[in-house]
Amino acid sequence: EAQVTQNPRYLITVTGKKLTVTCSQNMNHEYMSWYRQDPGLGLRQIYYSMNVEVTDKGDVPEGYKVSRKEKRNFPLILESPSPNQTSLYFCASSLYPASGSYEQYFGPGTRLTVT
Amino acid sequence: AQSVTQLDSQVPVFEEAPVELRCNYSSSVSVYLFWYVQYPNQGLQLLLKYLSGSTLVESINGFEAEFNKSQTSFHLRKPSVHISDTAEYFCAVSEHNFNKFYFGSGTKLNVKP
Repeated sequence: EAQVTQNPRYLITVTGKKLTVTCSQNMNHEYMSWYRQDPGLGLRQIYYSMNVEVTDKGDVPEGYKVSRKEKRNFPLILESPSPNQTSLYFCASSLYPASGSYEQYFGPGTRLTVT
Repeated sequence: AQSVTQLDSQVPVFEEAPVELRCNYSSSVSVYLFWYVQYPNQGLQLLLKYLSGSTLVESINGFEAEFNKSQTSFHLRKPSVHISDTAEYFCAVSEHNFNKFYFGSGTKLNVKP
């Protein structure tokens, strides 16, 4: 089954404790992206990756890091989480745009609470 | 950078009534336009998209959206809604380099019996 998986689905942590949210896709997609969803603000793009070893900032990259060492994985790293990073996080993937497909496939989401 | 405006945060409507969810974007440069739907406790799913060609695009479940370049709008419509259409709907824009996506704040459609 074609899918994007995220782990963990729920996470409660404390300020300053480094964490990683994993994202994996099995569709051989080149493009991957992280978003955060906050009430009244919709989804905001954190980072995206056009392919292995190619990453760039979205609209709200502060406080986050990413890496793309393998095509299927795109982990999101919070080196020193703060309460304002409490949010619902989504990973998404799609084929490279030149293919003519622009549909992003979204993971189920990770609800993060930072106390 | 683009901004995407969905003016209606919530739209209550009775079953079988028509509905329009509004979306406006800021830039006049060439863009790709999307509507995504999010059912409770799930990720987003693509509903329909405008890339080029006909300005009226349709989904398989009866929704349609019309790209209006002069008004920079991409409103979503359905002539007769069902209870199962209850969800949150997000409008999204990507410029032709496709690197970044910009989402609106979402519209919660609540279909009442």
